Amino acid sequence: DQQVKQNSPSLSVQEGRISILNCDYTNSMFDYFLWYKKYPAEGPTFLISISSIKDKNEDGRFTVFLNKSAKHLSLHIVPSQPGDSAVYFCAASGGGSGGSNYKLTFGKGTLLTVNP
Amino acid sequence: SQTIHQWPATLVQPVGSPLSLECTVEGTSNPNLYWYRQAAGRGLQLLFYSVGIGQISSEVPQNLSASRPQDRQFILSSKKLLLSDSGFYLCAWSVQGWREQFFGPGTRLTVL
Repeated sequence: DQQVKQNSPSLSVQEGRISILNCDYTNSMFDYFLWYKKYPAEGPTFLISISSIKDKNEDGRFTVFLNKSAKHLSLHIVPSQPGDSAVYFCAASGGGSGGSNYKLTFGKGTLLTVNP
Repeated sequence: SQTIHQWPATLVQPVGSPLSLECTVEGTSNPNLYWYRQAAGRGLQLLFYSVGIGQISSEVPQNLSASRPQDRQFILSSKKLLLSDSGFYLCAWSVQGWREQFFGPGTRLTVL
């Protein structure tokens, strides 16, 4: 049962354009969502997060949008740069008690390639 | 600032051999600690998490175990490795009460 889904395994965009990475979830108890960036053979790096009480959060070139009714979130990168090329993971948490409330459930990732 | 260390970086082990991977966190106290595995072409699967010394929660019943002998030390072990244990093992930490987790550099384990 995959509770967090990233249906696009890969995405290719031109440098300077917008990259939009999508994520869907099925568990309505999730109340916090995160995006991570991962280079090969390295640990994921935290990018940006959003609480379910918000529908948008911005940090520099990165913006995350949350549509709770659709159980959908997206990460926008504007403008895209070649150094953004990496695998992007969506993660969700919430719905548990005690320590289990802080567990992260990850999607399978989307490989973003930004072409110069 | 906080840092997280994992070792070894790479490991090649025969089937049936034991395993011990270590993770330590510096610059924080009483963190939540996590072990994940990323199999080839897959997402990150949570294996164990710990909210304190000696407190371990297992997410996936399998050939592995975890221990937290000290506040900032998290160990992943196996008595006998299987081929299916191959993968990229990641340790992560978070501040108690925070959702954001911060990952170590990972250990690439190959079981032959």
